[in-house]
This record gives sequence, structure tokens and C-alpha cells, in this order.
Amino acid sequence: AQSVSQHNHHVILSEAASLELGCNYSYGGTVNLFWYVQYPGQHLQLLLKYFSGDPLVKGIKGFEAEFIKSKFSFNLRKPSVQWSDTAEYFCAVNHRDDKIIFGKGTRLHILP
Amino acid sequence: SQTIHQWPATLVQPVGSPLSLECTVEGTSNPNLYWYRQAAGRGLQLLFYSVGIGQISSEVPQNLSASRPQDRQFILSSKKLLLSDSGFYLCAWSVASADYGYTFGSGTRLTVV
Repeated sequence: AQSVSQHNHHVILSEAASLELGCNYSYGGTVNLFWYVQYPGQHLQLLLKYFSGDPLVKGIKGFEAEFIKSKFSFNLRKPSVQWSDTAEYFCAVNHRDDKIIFGKGTRLHILP
Repeated sequence: SQTIHQWPATLVQPVGSPLSLECTVEGTSNPNLYWYRQAAGRGLQLLFYSVGIGQISSEVPQNLSASRPQDRQFILSSKKLLLSDSGFYLCAWSVASADYGYTFGSGTRLTVV
């Protein structure tokens, strides 16, 4: 079955630290890839997405993600995190069909 | 612009009671509609999706059902709630396919007591 794996369930960092959240998916065909974020008390919202072209995708708030097809990975990065980045982050994949499969999420806690 | 409405925001229901959660989308036609359940540490589990009126795909067999009586209305139901139905339910919509991602509603926190 298609699946998305997020390696870290809970990450704690200090402000200004660099961030990398891992994501791997199981499907070998053509995919669209997403990172969603849920800030405390807010809706799930799209952070960034990859369809094709440049495998390095830049999103909102200084986030970026790199699609590495050979590794089936789409890791999320940010060079310097802020306290306001405290949230839950979900990696997701769409296999060019009608639905998106989500990972279990990573809770990121930034210490001020 | 497109908006998605989901209600109620919170709901406390006794075991064995029925359930009806409603989701409507404005500003678009023929959207794909989705129901997810979000549980701590378990991510988002796709429950149902619909690509058109009366068309429902069920992803996980359980105590719930879904219906789409109108183009922009998606309803999640149960005849008899179980304790295990407690959770956070999210409605989402996308354009004809999910290629471009979803827009999520604000969610319903359901507690079955």
C-alpha cells in the first residue's frame, strides 16, 4: 500500500537552529508532494508543493524542500527557525489521482 | 474566492447516538470533497472522498458513512456512535483532481462519551 513516513514524531530546537524534517514515500511512479503545517489552534495550510521541474521547492516563511527521486524523499528544511515555527508538520503525497496520503506528522517545538 | 465551511466546531455525543457533520464549499463547482480524521500521533486518515454528487469512495471500513446530496455539500454520518469515533474530523476540497493539494476546513472536535 502507498504510504508516507515521517521519521521524527517530535522535534525540539532552539531558535536560530537549522531544521530538517524527513519524509519518505513508498510509491515509485509520478507523484506530487506536499508539506502542510498546522499552527496551534489554526487550520491545516499548505506550506509548499512539488509537481515537476526544479526539485528544490521554496515555500512560505523561509521553508524549502528537496525532492530526491532516487531516495523517494521530500525533506523539509529551514536554515534558521523561529519560535513562531512551533507547529505540526505533515508530509503528503498524491499519485496523480483523486486523493492525498498524509504522513503521521512531526510536532516541532521551538524554544525561545 | 473559494471558502469551505464545516460545522459544528465541537460536539459531545453519547455512545449510541447518531452523528451528522456537514461541510459545504462556496465559490467553485464540481469540487472533489474529502473527510479525514486526525488523531494525535496518527496523522490524517482518509475516511471518504467524493468526485461528484452521489459518488462516495470509502477508504476505511468503520462505523461511519458519507453522502453528497448536492455538488458542494458533503455529510459525514453515523447511526450509532462508538467511543472510538472520538476525534478531530476535517473536511477538505480540491479541484477536479488532488494534484494541486487541498484546502481544509476548520475541523470538528467530536467527543463520544
